[in-house]
Amino acid sequence: ETGVTQTPRHLVMGMTNKKSLKCEQHLGHNAMYWYKQSAKKPLELMFVYNFKEQTENNSVPSRFSPECPNSSHLFLHLHTLQPEDSALYLCASSGGTSGHNEQFFGPGTRLTVL
Amino acid sequence: QKEVEQDPGPLSVPEGAIVSLNCTYSNSAFQYFMWYRQYSRKGPELLMYTYSSGNKEDGRFTAQVDKSSKYISLFIRDSQPSDSATYLCASHYGGSQGNLIFGKGTKLSVKP
Repeated sequence: ETGVTQTPRHLVMGMTNKKSLKCEQHLGHNAMYWYKQSAKKPLELMFVYNFKEQTENNSVPSRFSPECPNSSHLFLHLHTLQPEDSALYLCASSGGTSGHNEQFFGPGTRLTVL
Repeated sequence: QKEVEQDPGPLSVPEGAIVSLNCTYSNSAFQYFMWYRQYSRKGPELLMYTYSSGNKEDGRFTAQVDKSSKYISLFIRDSQPSDSATYLCASHYGGSQGNLIFGKGTKLSVKP
């Protein structure tokens, strides 16, 4: 595997379910990100981790819970979601969090909440 | 006021046309300007990256930043059907704090 991988690629869940999204980066990076991409909206940054420590929580509802056990893995735990949470969830990684660090994105998980 | 504004299109052009994609931004503290390309069912990938004002050319692609007017442009010469994708502009303050701020993306279709 190379680059940034995400599983599952597609997920359908009910509002009472609990599920997790997984991201893995094979680039030796120190920073990892979760973004939400909705139709006709800009990419919304959700969380930033740098050296496994959360450095940014962009006012994300508590029904989204991130976990970063090491610099290569990032999870997004989901529970009691709402239909408006349906979107493409993108993971990214970069060497650092400065502006000159390129962010490499995974293919995303297409989430549908019924 | 949104920090990075981008017309979502869609934009449809014939093969071989010159394409101009544009964004405006409101925060004069932005120093880094990027263009990402996102194909259908894929994540965004960095296409061009510019620091401060000026032009940068890479093959058929030219990125242009005018900080005086807070205007970001991407030009594609001799456009190809393989250029059909959504193009996202993004800006960053430059320090270790702060994050990439994205525009909505412009969906481009190049017809053969």
